Amino acid sequence: EVQLVESGGGLVQPGGSLRLSCAASGFTVSSNYMSWVRQAPGKGLEWVSVIYSGGSTYYADSVKGRFTISRDNSKNTLYLQMNSLRAEDTAVYYCARLYYDILTGSAFDIWGQGTMVTVSS
Amino acid sequence: EIVMTQSPATLSVSPGERATLSCRASQSVSSNLAWYQQKPGQAPRLLIYGASTRATGIPARFSGSGSGTEFTLTISSLQSEDFAVYYCQQWYTFGQGTKLEIK
Repeated sequence: EVQLVESGGGLVQPGGSLRLSCAASGFTVSSNYMSWVRQAPGKGLEWVSVIYSGGSTYYADSVKGRFTISRDNSKNTLYLQMNSLRAEDTAVYYCARLYYDILTGSAFDIWGQGTMVTVSS
Repeated sequence: EIVMTQSPATLSVSPGERATLSCRASQSVSSNLAWYQQKPGQAPRLLIYGASTRATGIPARFSGSGSGTEFTLTISSLQSEDFAVYYCQQWYTFGQGTKLEIK
């Protein structure tokens, strides 16, 4: 079964750090584009970061310099290291596979269940 | 940066009726447009990609159309399970969402 399972969320103080994990099954993380997408309480979806199959990484301006996306091929797992956390980073964080086809474009076709990150003192 | 704008913000429709949701891109995105459904407490679910191709397992009552800057998601006969929030997406940009509620 194709599946993504996130973990690592929780309550952290402003300025603190947290590492999220996303374990994949049924497909290979390193062969795909993998992303993190977040959703603040009561708000819409916001793309956070992507790692391409070739290893290139990109970030939203709101997290650039603070967050780092990575993967462990041996564990088939995606990570998001979050440093210097702010109250505005409070959200449900989803990992998602970004499907891309030259004819049909891109779409997030597989999503995890999400993990809640709360930044508060 | 491309901006995706959805309308209306909220749409009230009766079960069995047709719902039409719109998404506009600030510049042409060709057919690179996807639609998602999200219910409370759940992750988004991919409905449509490539502007008009239904994802695996998506009922035929869901259809997408458009290209360039104007896109539409149509739900032909609303079922109770279709009342949710719908998002459009182009690469790394999402629209702000349309809440489809029961009239």
